[in-house]
Amino acid sequence: EVQLVQSGAEVKKPGESLKISCKGSGYNFPSYWIGWVRQMPGKGLEWMGIIYPGDSDTRYSPSFQGQVTISADKSITTAYLQWSSLKASDTAMYYCAAAKPRYCSDGNCYVFDIWGQGTMVTVSS
Amino acid sequence: DIQLTQSPSSLSASVGDRVTIICRASQSVNNYLSWYQHKPGKAPKLLIFVASSLQSGVPSRFTGSGSGTDFTLTISSLQPEDFATYYCQQSYSIPGTFGQGTKVEIK
Repeated sequence: EVQLVQSGAEVKKPGESLKISCKGSGYNFPSYWIGWVRQMPGKGLEWMGIIYPGDSDTRYSPSFQGQVTISADKSITTAYLQWSSLKASDTAMYYCAAAKPRYCSDGNCYVFDIWGQGTMVTVSS
Repeated sequence: DIQLTQSPSSLSASVGDRVTIICRASQSVNNYLSWYQHKPGKAPKLLIFVASSLQSGVPSRFTGSGSGTDFTLTISSLQPEDFATYYCQQSYSIPGTFGQGTKVEIK
């Protein structure tokens, strides 16, 4: 079965670091782009960035550049989203999604048909 | 960034109604426009890609049209399971921005 399984919900304090994961299975992980999407409470979807696990080519939305780090370890078919210093405004649901290479051009992917279940991150003092 | 504006932001409709959602881009995205359905507690689900191609397994009551800057998602006969929030997304350029969403509620 083709799937992405994300790590569990997190509750953190402002200033703490965090790394959440997205593990792919049932497909050729290195060759699919993986994107990250944020949904803040009561708000819409926001495209954060994308990575090609095969060579770790990574693109960020300007809104998230410098705020998060996207990485991947193809040896364990897992992508990551990490923060070095969380803020209360990072409280959100985070989704990973995968796209087949034939539906992508230089990081622009128009078919994200494999989604993780989401990871809720709560940042509160 | 390319901005996507959806209208309406919300609508109330009855089962069996025909529903149309509009997505306008701040500049041409060619036909690189997708539509997603999102229900609370679930991952978004791809409905339509490259403006009018129906994703495998998605009912044919969902249709997409448009190109350039103006796009439409139509649900021909609304079903109970269609009550959700719908987002358009452009993949013409990075970042792949989403519209603000259209919430479809039961009348």
